[in-house]
Amino acid sequence: DQQVKQNSPSLSVQEGRISILNCDYTNSMFDYFLWYKKYPAEGPTFLISISSIKDKNEDGRFTVFLNKSAKHLSLHIVPSQPGDSAVYFCAAGVSGGTSYGKLTFGQGTILTVHP
Amino acid sequence: DTEVTQTPKHLVMGMTNKKSLKCEQHMGHRAMYWYKQKAKKPPELMFVYSYEKLSINESVPSRFSPECPNSSLLNLHLHALQPEDSALYLCASSRSGTFNTEAFFGQGTRLTVV
Repeated sequence: DQQVKQNSPSLSVQEGRISILNCDYTNSMFDYFLWYKKYPAEGPTFLISISSIKDKNEDGRFTVFLNKSAKHLSLHIVPSQPGDSAVYFCAAGVSGGTSYGKLTFGQGTILTVHP
Repeated sequence: DTEVTQTPKHLVMGMTNKKSLKCEQHMGHRAMYWYKQKAKKPPELMFVYSYEKLSINESVPSRFSPECPNSSLLNLHLHALQPEDSALYLCASSRSGTFNTEAFFGQGTRLTVV
């Protein structure tokens, strides 16, 4: 049972435009969510996070939106740059209890930003 | 220093070998993790150490044996692995006791079992 899903395996965007990456989850216990970016042959790099008490978090060109009722979050990158081309993973976790510290990752979305 | 350092970067081992993967961080993080990532798949959690104690073992086979000698170091001892254990092994660390527990990942060790 895949608890975190990224249904788009890939996304292609023109430089300067907005990139929107989507993520759905099924486990209502998840109360914090993170986005990671991964280049080939490197470990994931943390981008931005959001806790379930918020519906939006912004950091520079990156904004994450959380819709708890729909169990959906999205990452917006504006404006997109060719250097943003990478695999983007959505991850979710439970902040307390015995699952504390465990992150469940989505399958990833390959973002390609064309010059 | 915001780095998680993993050694070696690449490892090729036979099914009868014993080897160890090493991970080090100096960010004062008290939670450390081992993840396994197969090609075109998401990272999957193997182990979590919190304050040097094993807190989560995701039903990992005993041929993988984690060790946390101190708060900065995390090892993964490998013995009698199978070819299907070939993968990228990622170490991560995060602060404990805080709500935003973003984990910082190392570059990974690319393991090939022959």
